Amino acid sequence: AQRVTQPEKLLSVFKGAPVELKCNYSYSGSPELFWYVQYSRQRLQLLLRHISRESIKGFTADLNKGETSFHLKKPFAQEEDSAMYYCAPSLLGNFNKFYFGSGTKLNVKP
Amino acid sequence: NAGVTQTPKFQVLKTGQSMTLQCAQDMNHNSMYWYRQDPGMGLRLIYYSASEGTTDKGEVPNGYNVSRLNKREFSLRLESAAPSQTSVYFCASRDPGGGANYGYTFGSGTRLTVV
Repeated sequence: AQRVTQPEKLLSVFKGAPVELKCNYSYSGSPELFWYVQYSRQRLQLLLRHISRESIKGFTADLNKGETSFHLKKPFAQEEDSAMYYCAPSLLGNFNKFYFGSGTKLNVKP
Repeated sequence: NAGVTQTPKFQVLKTGQSMTLQCAQDMNHNSMYWYRQDPGMGLRLIYYSASEGTTDKGEVPNGYNVSRLNKREFSLRLESAAPSQTSVYFCASRDPGGGANYGYTFGSGTRLTVV
């Protein structure tokens, strides 16, 4: 079965420290890959998508096909980055359907 | 531009009661989705509709039914609510017309408690 894994349920870092939120997917090929963020009491929103090679709010994500990973990184975490982060690769062969990881809660301490 | 609108925002049901969660989008998106969000399990796809007139099961469809009423609206029905359906429900839409580049737009969620 195709799966996506976010191994850390909670990640705590201090403000200014680098942060990496891990995402691994279990299927081969070239799925489309997205990261979503949910700030407290807000709806889920798209953070970035792999295909655009974007940097949003200082976050970037690199696709490593060999390791089937799509980790989210930011060199200097800010307190306002505290949120739930979800990795979402598309189902191989069906770009209409996305499965989400279980999420990582990022807590940035002052 | 309201995006994706879900109603109601909160609901408490007794076991065995039925209800329908409503979702509407005004972005002319073809695809619409229902997810549930549970602690430690992330978001799980219940049903989706790739286009008007079609619906398909996701990961956890049991106990739910859906209706794609028109291009704008996609409702989720619980025929006989169970405590295991206590969750936060999110509706989302997406326009796949541009290929796989496009992500979801989410509604604000419905917090459902079944007692």
